[in-house]
Amino acid sequence: AQSVSQHNHHVILSEAASLELGCNYSYGGTVNLFWYVQYPGQHLQLLLKYFSGDPLVKGIKGFEAEFIKSKFSFNLRKPSVQWSDTAEYFCAVNAYRDDKIIFGKGTRLHILP
Amino acid sequence: NAGVTQTPKFQVLKTGQSMTLQCAQDMNHEYMSWYRQDPGMGLRLIHYSVGAGITDQGEVPNGYNVSRSTTEDFPLRLLSAAPSQTSVYFCASSYSPTGGYGYTFGSGTRLTVV
Repeated sequence: AQSVSQHNHHVILSEAASLELGCNYSYGGTVNLFWYVQYPGQHLQLLLKYFSGDPLVKGIKGFEAEFIKSKFSFNLRKPSVQWSDTAEYFCAVNAYRDDKIIFGKGTRLHILP
Repeated sequence: NAGVTQTPKFQVLKTGQSMTLQCAQDMNHEYMSWYRQDPGMGLRLIHYSVGAGITDQGEVPNGYNVSRSTTEDFPLRLLSAAPSQTSVYFCASSYSPTGGYGYTFGSGTRLTVV
């Protein structure tokens, strides 16, 4: 069965700093990969997704993620964070032809103004 | 507005009580699922459905029951509430998880069992 590991549980950055959140998954076959964001008091929203093709995926609000198949990784990046990026970020994986999306435990990001 | 509607938003139950969390979507999505969100645990899949009349268990199904009589509705039933079921519950829907379209989430139900 697939699983997702997010390395950082809590990240604190200053505004304008660069961001990279780690995500690794365990599944040997074809996967679809996602990053979701949950702003305080709100529900999850899709940031970006990878199905196939270009391993560098661009999402909303200046976020991007790179799929590295050899490392089973799908790290989320943003070159310059803003205070409004304070939220919890979830990586998720869907194994091809499976009916489930499995989420990681989340990374809580706090941006200092 | 199209989307996933969950009711109620907040609920307090006594141990042993039963209740149903409602979830409805108007996007004609075949796939629906229930997650619970607990601090430090992320989202864990309770039950899911790939279409009307078809349901299956997720990671943490014990103590919960579901049915899918229509495409639009996917209620989650707590049979006999326990304090361990205190959590935030999210319903989600999609055209299909295998197509990788991602989910549309409801706004959540915050449940406290005392």
